[in-house]
Amino acid sequence: AQSVSQHNHHVILSEAASLELGCNYSYGGTVNLFWYVQYPGQHLQLLLKYFSGDPLVKGIKGFEAEFIKSKFSFNLRKPSVQWSDTAEYFCAVKKNTGFQKLVFGTGTRLLVSP
Amino acid sequence: GAGVSQSPSNKVTEKGKDVELRCDPISGHTALYWYRQSLGQGLEFLIYFQGNSAPDKSGLPSDRFSAERTGGSVSTLTIQRTQQEDSAVYLCASSLGTSGSNEQFFGPGTRLTVL
Repeated sequence: AQSVSQHNHHVILSEAASLELGCNYSYGGTVNLFWYVQYPGQHLQLLLKYFSGDPLVKGIKGFEAEFIKSKFSFNLRKPSVQWSDTAEYFCAVKKNTGFQKLVFGTGTRLLVSP
Repeated sequence: GAGVSQSPSNKVTEKGKDVELRCDPISGHTALYWYRQSLGQGLEFLIYFQGNSAPDKSGLPSDRFSAERTGGSVSTLTIQRTQQEDSAVYLCASSLGTSGSNEQFFGPGTRLTVL
């Protein structure tokens, strides 16, 4: 069965620090990859997604993620975080054949101190 | 509508009671999904609908859980004889279709607490 691992459960950074959140998945076929974010008191929303093509994808609010197929990884990065990036971040993967459910990681809580 | 809506936003119930959770998807979205988010865990897939039919019910934790969708729109998730381990946030999402490129849009969730 597919699984998604997010290595960091809690991350605390100061503003302007760089961010990298790890995500690894365990499926060898073609996959679609996603990062979702949940700001305090808000809905889960899509940050960015990878379906095919350029493995470096850019999302909203300056976030980007790189798909490294050989490492089964899809790490999320941001060069300089802001206080407003405080949120919970979820990596998710879906097989790219017909209907397949989204499989989520357990999430990473990011706290950015001003 | 503007987004996926869910009701109620919070539900507190006693162990053994039945509850119904409602989801209104984005207008025109044919696919609808239910997930559960338990404390300390990621989102767990429960069931999805394509139109009014549910091709994949594999995530429903037990036969106490059921869901239906009518008119290709509103969906109801029913939990019978609730147990304390059912306490979680239940999230609904919808998408235009189910193929890989279709983004799922999530609702605000219903927080269920079983006492």
